[in-house]
This record gives sequence, C-alpha cells and structure tokens, in this order.
Amino acid sequence: DAGITQSPRYKITETGRQVTLMCHQTWSHSYMFWYRQDLGHGLRLIYYSAAADITDKGEVPDGYVVSRSKTENFPLTLESATRSQTSVYFCASSELYGTGYDQPQHFGDGTRLSIL
Amino acid sequence: KQEVTQIPAALSVPEGENLVLNCSFTDSAIYNLQWFRQDPGKGLTSLLLIQSSQREQTSGRLNASLDKSSGRSTLYIAASQPGDSATYLCAVSGYYDMRFGAGTRLTVKP
Repeated sequence: DAGITQSPRYKITETGRQVTLMCHQTWSHSYMFWYRQDLGHGLRLIYYSAAADITDKGEVPDGYVVSRSKTENFPLTLESATRSQTSVYFCASSELYGTGYDQPQHFGDGTRLSIL
Repeated sequence: KQEVTQIPAALSVPEGENLVLNCSFTDSAIYNLQWFRQDPGKGLTSLLLIQSSQREQTSGRLNASLDKSSGRSTLYIAASQPGDSATYLCAVSGYYDMRFGAGTRLTVKP
C-alpha cells in the first residue's frame, strides 16, 4: 500500500542513549519532514529534506541528526537522548514545499518516544 | 517570527450544526495555509490547502477561507456529524518555515 510508515510506534529508552526513528514513504515525494508534537508547544519542525542528500534545519534542530541517502527513507537520530526529547515524533512527505505551489503534506502515524 | 493562534481551543456542538473554526497568524508573507485533522493517536490528515493567491477552497462539507491582509483563516464545517469529532489544526507555510496552531478540539454530539 502506498503511504508513509514510521517505526517503531513506541519506544522507551534511557538518557544518554542513541536512538533512531525510521520513516519510509512509497510516493517518491521529493520533500520529507520531521516534527515533534508536545503539549503546550504544538507541532514544531525539526528538520526537512528537499531531496536525497539535501537536508536543512527547522525550528528545533538541536540534539537531532538526519540523513537521506535514498528518496524514500528519512531517519531521525537522537545521538544522546535527553528527557526533554520525550515527545511524539511525526514524519511527513510532500511533492512540493516552500513555493507558491505547495502540495499537501502526508503524515505518518507517529512514534511515541519516552526517555527515562 | 510567525505565530499561529486558533480559537476556540475546544468546541462541543450537537449533530447537524454548522460551525466555524478560526485561525490567525501574525506575518502575512505566507506561501499557503493548510487545515489538518488529527484523530487521537494518529497523524495529521490534510483537509484543505489554500495557496497565498487564493481566497478559499472547498471540499465536500468543508470550506476554508484565507484573508492574508488581516492574517485570518476560517474553516467552515456544514451539517456537522459525530465522525467530525477530532482536533483541527491550521498551519502556515512561509519561506522554508511551517508553523502550526495548537488546534481546536471538536466534539460533535449525536
């Protein structure tokens, strides 16, 4: 089925550990995004990518690393997890972004990450 | 810095009512505005996208308007149904920056 899938759906880890959240899309969309959703802050953009090997920072990039070696995959890594990174993480994709002809973003179901 | 505000934060209506959700933003230099729906434990589903050159978009019972000069958008839902119960978010896209409102939690009672 076409779509965007995130894994794992739930993850519990400890402070200081490295954790990677996976995102895979089957539409071959050029743009992919990572957001975090927190009570009191809403959704905030962490990183986005315009194409394979092209990434850029969003509103809250500190403590996160992304890569995009293939168009369909956009993993997000927390190199040394902190409690403040406990959140729900959403991946999204879109054919066009940052223009006057943007296309809607399609979201995955999220990864609920708890850092103890 | 773009700030997006949604009013009200929560809304409860009986089935069949027409309703309006509001979104306001501080910087009128936008590319587009999107309305999303989020069900509990799920991701966001795009409902309507209004480009900056457009004034409104319609999809079924949904109609969204955009007034860039006043920094406002409204989402009109006609003949509401219990299945419309969800959180509705608006998001404003500027130059490589997308900002979301906190959402309006809608409950439609049978």
